[in-house]
Amino acid sequence: GGIITQTPKFLIGQEGQKLTLKCQQNFNHDTMYWYRQDSGKGLRLIYYSITENDLQKGDLSEGYDASREKKSSFSLTVTSAQKNEMAVFLCASSIPNTEVFFGKGTRLTVV
Amino acid sequence: AQSVTQPDARVTVSEGASLQLRCKYSYFGTPYLFWYVQYPRQGLQLLLKYYPGDPVVQGVNGFEAEFSKSNSSFHLRKASVHWSDWAVYFCAVTSPSGSWQLIFGSGTQLTVMP
Repeated sequence: GGIITQTPKFLIGQEGQKLTLKCQQNFNHDTMYWYRQDSGKGLRLIYYSITENDLQKGDLSEGYDASREKKSSFSLTVTSAQKNEMAVFLCASSIPNTEVFFGKGTRLTVV
Repeated sequence: AQSVTQPDARVTVSEGASLQLRCKYSYFGTPYLFWYVQYPRQGLQLLLKYYPGDPVVQGVNGFEAEFSKSNSSFHLRKASVHWSDWAVYFCAVTSPSGSWQLIFGSGTQLTVMP
């Protein structure tokens, strides 16, 4: 089996700061995703990538950038953190038409 | 618009009782449906999946779900709940075409009483 590793597990940032979240997978999956999880709102797709160097915007991409320089890694940047923002960011990966696997998440708090 | 609705934000059941968590979907085309579970401080884990075929699908830990095209539903069931089932449950839908993006419901928090 494989694993998805997200770093850091907890991230505290200041308002206006640029923050980067990292994700590594060893499934050798082509597609990777970033979801944002807010309490009571489920998961919303921020960005996804179907292969190395590919980026596709999800419904929640405004305020974020992403980078897929290697097949195994996918990073997400919060371009300007918003005060009182609190959410969990989940990275995931899959191969087409099969199960999507999730990491354990990065919990973001902005002070 | 494509969407998933989980009408119950919170469900409380006694240990040993039966369980049904509701999921309604709105999707153009052939839906593939999923139930994921999230234990505290964990990522999402797949419970079961529906690909077109038998409408009743079996999952892990005694969970099953039934697909209904006429009702646009994919409800999750378990005959006897265990305390370890205390978690948040998410219903999701996708299509075999495109990038396999999952559209999630807002989740149902399951509390199990002793």
